Amino acid sequence: NAGVTQTPKFQVLKTGQSMTLQCAQDMNHEYMSWYRQDPGMGLRLIHYSVGAGITDQGEVPNGYNVSRSTTEDFPLRLLSAAPSQTSVYFCASSSPSTGAGEKLFFGSGTQLSVL
Amino acid sequence: SQQGEEDPQALSIQEGENATMNCSYKTSINNLQWYRQNSGRGLVHLILIRSNEREKHSGRLRVTLDTSKKSSSLLITASRAADTASYFCATDARTDSWGKLQFGAGTQVVVTP
Repeated sequence: NAGVTQTPKFQVLKTGQSMTLQCAQDMNHEYMSWYRQDPGMGLRLIHYSVGAGITDQGEVPNGYNVSRSTTEDFPLRLLSAAPSQTSVYFCASSSPSTGAGEKLFFGSGTQLSVL
Repeated sequence: SQQGEEDPQALSIQEGENATMNCSYKTSINNLQWYRQNSGRGLVHLILIRSNEREKHSGRLRVTLDTSKKSSSLLITASRAADTASYFCATDARTDSWGKLQFGAGTQVVVTP
């Protein structure tokens, strides 16, 4: 199994551009989430999904949009990039209905710079 | 707002020594987890301790939880150079909030040979 796969690994955007960060998992996990990691601040939850068709906002949702049409995919869209969105983005999945329980499985991250 | 706060922010030790880091949190929790992050990589789950547990072991890792003080500690015994990483605590405040963990800012551990 590949686990949680994020693409791209690196991206540079200009202010105002839009883009989609891709996240896919092959573990049939119900729960998927997006976090951003900024220096000295740990990880902060952006958006969250408990299953296909169901999403919820996290701590810092402004400027981001998500949808979940399949169990496997959970893309994160930046609507109009701003320098404040320069960060490292992590996608994670979990499955409370299996032995994996509450622990999160993380992708390797997308480093985004907005100029 | 961050739920967990790790202490110290950075720790430098030699191989073979023990490394201890602490995590304090603000509200009642369902469980507390520790994750490791190697430079440039994603986080990897290390251990989970539930609110009704006081201590848990996994290999060279020992985690304690004191819910009265709202704090946890992670001890890595006989550290190795490969333990060099950042360590994060994460809390889960509700039984239905899987995937909605709140993370602290982390402790950066450097283990020198």
